[in-house]
Amino acid sequence: EAGVAQSPRYKIIEKRQSVAFWCNPISGHATLYWYQQILGQGPKLLIQFQNNGVVDDSQLPKDRFSAERLKGVDSTLKIQPAKLEDSAVYLCASSLGVLEWRGGSDTQYFGPGTRLTVL
Amino acid sequence: AQSVAQPEDQVNVAEGNPLTVKCTYSVSGNPYLFWYVQYPNRGLQFLLKYITGDNLVKGSYGFEAEFNKSQTSFHLKKPSALVSDSALYFCAVRDPQYNFNKFYFGSGTKLNVKP
Repeated sequence: EAGVAQSPRYKIIEKRQSVAFWCNPISGHATLYWYQQILGQGPKLLIQFQNNGVVDDSQLPKDRFSAERLKGVDSTLKIQPAKLEDSAVYLCASSLGVLEWRGGSDTQYFGPGTRLTVL
Repeated sequence: AQSVAQPEDQVNVAEGNPLTVKCTYSVSGNPYLFWYVQYPNRGLQFLLKYITGDNLVKGSYGFEAEFNKSQTSFHLKKPSALVSDSALYFCAVRDPQYNFNKFYFGSGTKLNVKP
């Protein structure tokens, strides 16, 4: 079974530029998550999708971050414009989310992440 | 509020010795608890989870964790450490009374296993 795919793996940009990250979840997984992991910290949830709907985006800086999952499969996270403090690893995860999500026992599976450096 | 604490930034252990990575949590209801491992330049890999039932949970690569409700802890353990276990370990909690799928992660513990 293929895992969660992310691209690119690394990205270096200058502040005020724009950047986009792509994620393809495990086939059949209804729930998709984007996390931000700053060096030395645990991952922080940015946004969670259930199919193509947003479940939680309470910690997404909406003035500069946006995300979409139009067809309920792959997803794109965009930053526009980037700031120095956006330097981090952006992790995508997915889970089954169809029958189990209300039970809370759903396991999340993570992609390799995209390391973003903003200069 | 939901939270997870990993009180040790780093744990050092000699190969062959038992290891423990500590985790405590705070949720309003009964927690769902998870452990993940992260190798350099890799995403998080699922190790094990506690949902209900037996307090001792066995997971991947010989790891296990014990849920202790009175101490609100979920420490990760392994009887005999390997050098290849050296990595960053994250504890996560989910509070089913709120967003059922939202994880709260600890800050991570770096495990160093020396030959």
